[in-house]
Formats: sequence, structure tokens, C-alpha cells
Amino acid sequence: DSGVTQTPKHLITATGQRVTLRCSPRSGDLSVYWYQQSLDQGLQFLIHYYNGEERAKGNILERFSAQQFPDLHSELNLSSLELGDSALYFCASSEGSRGSETQYFGPGTRLLVL
Amino acid sequence: KNEVEQSPQNLTAQEGEFITINCSYSVGISALHWLQQHPGGGIVSLFMLSSGKKKHGRLIATINIQEKHSSLHITASHPRDSAVYICAADNYGQNFVFGPGTRLSVLP
Repeated sequence: DSGVTQTPKHLITATGQRVTLRCSPRSGDLSVYWYQQSLDQGLQFLIHYYNGEERAKGNILERFSAQQFPDLHSELNLSSLELGDSALYFCASSEGSRGSETQYFGPGTRLLVL
Repeated sequence: KNEVEQSPQNLTAQEGEFITINCSYSVGISALHWLQQHPGGGIVSLFMLSSGKKKHGRLIATINIQEKHSSLHITASHPRDSAVYICAADNYGQNFVFGPGTRLSVLP
């Protein structure tokens, strides 16, 4: 158990809908990273938050947004969902802000868009 | 050419064999991560390297910054090592680029 929790574990929704994925980091970790893993693209970095502030953006679509709250949990919002958004979404946490440190991964949320 | 490449793509070994998985990258990095993804999907971080060599149990990871190459070695492999191994280039937390993964099966 990494200490990182993600909810829900599974999510089935329809095209055009909006969903919110939630991540709670390990106690004491200030950074949260979001990743998408699809069958055709593999793992991709989406976005990094540190202590409530956005630190870096990766391949995140404009239809997707994220935030990190004062209690350090983070939410990833996916809107106008398309079939191609079906994937595993992972969050990971770490202590600091500058990368180059071990990340602890949550169990992932499996999203299926029908 | 992908920014992070791994070889081999698939690997089948007999229990007890010495295994090497390679990772080459073309992007600038502050660190190189090795991850293990089990069949159920969960991801575990194995190593984070910025230079030299690290060892944890039967696992050894090395990196050559000049050649932009890293290797993950598994000594005395065991069926429980069966998983997908992924390397990831980390640029000071500003960007992460993942390799395609190496699927390892260790047969008893």
C-alpha cells in the first residue's frame, strides 16, 4: 500500500459527459502528479501540482482540468468525454516540488467512455 | 524516433536467470525512474537515478548520463518478478516522458 488513495476505482460513463477523479496523497507529500495510461499511447504525464499551485503541464487536453485543494487532495476533471478518453488514470505523490524524487502511485481509476 | 526507448519489448526467462532491461533516452533529464506495473495495473516505483548505480535486493539499476542509457538488472529472477517494467525520463518535475515498457514473464 503506497498510502495514495484514488476514487472511484472504476467509472463508466457516456460520451459528452463530465467526470471528476479524486486523489489523496501520502501524508506529508505536497506534490501530486496526474498520469493517463491508454492502450495505444502508454503512460503520459498530464499535470503536476505542488502545495496547491500548478507547477507543470504535460499532454493535458483543454477539456481536462485539475486542482489541488488546501488539504492537498487533488481532483482531475474530464469534460466533453470522448471514446478515446477511456484509460487508466493514475495520480502519484512526492514530498518536494522539483521532481527527481521517488513518486508513490495510487491504484488508479479505470475510466470507460461508451 | 521516440524520446524514450526500451528493449526488449517482451522478455521470457526461466526462473533463476539474470535479466537485463535497457532504456535509452534523447531528452534532457534530472533523473531517470524505473517503475514496475503488475498485471493488476498497480504501479510501484523501483528506482530513481540521477547518476551511477543503485541496488535494492535482487534489483540493480545503472545509468550512464553521457550515453543517455540506463539498465535494470534482475538477479536470480523469480515468477513474482513477472510484470511490465517502465523507465521514465524526469526533467525536474516539469515533464515526464515514459518508455513503452518491457513485458517480462519469468517461468517456473
